[in-house]
Amino acid sequence: EAGVAQSPRYKIIEKRQSVAFWCNPISGHATLYWYQQILGQGPKLLIQFQNNGVVDDSQLPKDRFSAERLKGVDSTLKIQPAKLEDSAVYLCASSRFSGQPQHFGDGTRLSIL
Amino acid sequence: GQQLNQSPQSMFIQEGEDVSMNCTSSSIFNTWLWYKQDPGEGPVLLIALYKAGELTSNGRLTAQFGITRKDSFLNISASIPSDVGIYFCAGPSPYFGNEKLTFGTGTRLTIIP
Repeated sequence: EAGVAQSPRYKIIEKRQSVAFWCNPISGHATLYWYQQILGQGPKLLIQFQNNGVVDDSQLPKDRFSAERLKGVDSTLKIQPAKLEDSAVYLCASSRFSGQPQHFGDGTRLSIL
Repeated sequence: GQQLNQSPQSMFIQEGEDVSMNCTSSSIFNTWLWYKQDPGEGPVLLIALYKAGELTSNGRLTAQFGITRKDSFLNISASIPSDVGIYFCAGPSPYFGNEKLTFGTGTRLTIIP
């Protein structure tokens, strides 16, 4: 089966600009996750969707980050405006159902100048 | 927030050696997952453990779910160059909600030529 697809692979922007990332999960996977992975650390969950509804966004900085999964399939994560500390890899993962092992995409590496 | 502590932080070994790493937590976990992350890629699930005391193998990899439910171990036998990467433990903790994955700090494995 095809894996989790993410784009772009790399993005370089200046602080205060906006950026958006896209994720297409594995077909049939109801649960989709966005993680932030800062260099040298493990991934940290930002938001979890079950179909098109948000299950957990407790660690999403809502003043600048937003995410949607309107049709319950692919998803976008947006940062507006970006700050220097947002430099990280943004990973998308999906699982068949919540609580099942998660499968990760290769991530988008974001650099803020 | 909750963090899983992995040790060692990094390992430098020669090809053919066996590797042992562990993951500990101050709170209990219901599931332990071990992921490997190569540079520029997302984490890939290696082994999933669902029961205290469980010992599971995947080729040259063996992982154990600690009896106390607060730790897990991963062993790699007869290491080869493609084992290089960062190994993360992860799990959902009932303390933080059964479905939210917490990731460890990672163990970086390097093979010395």
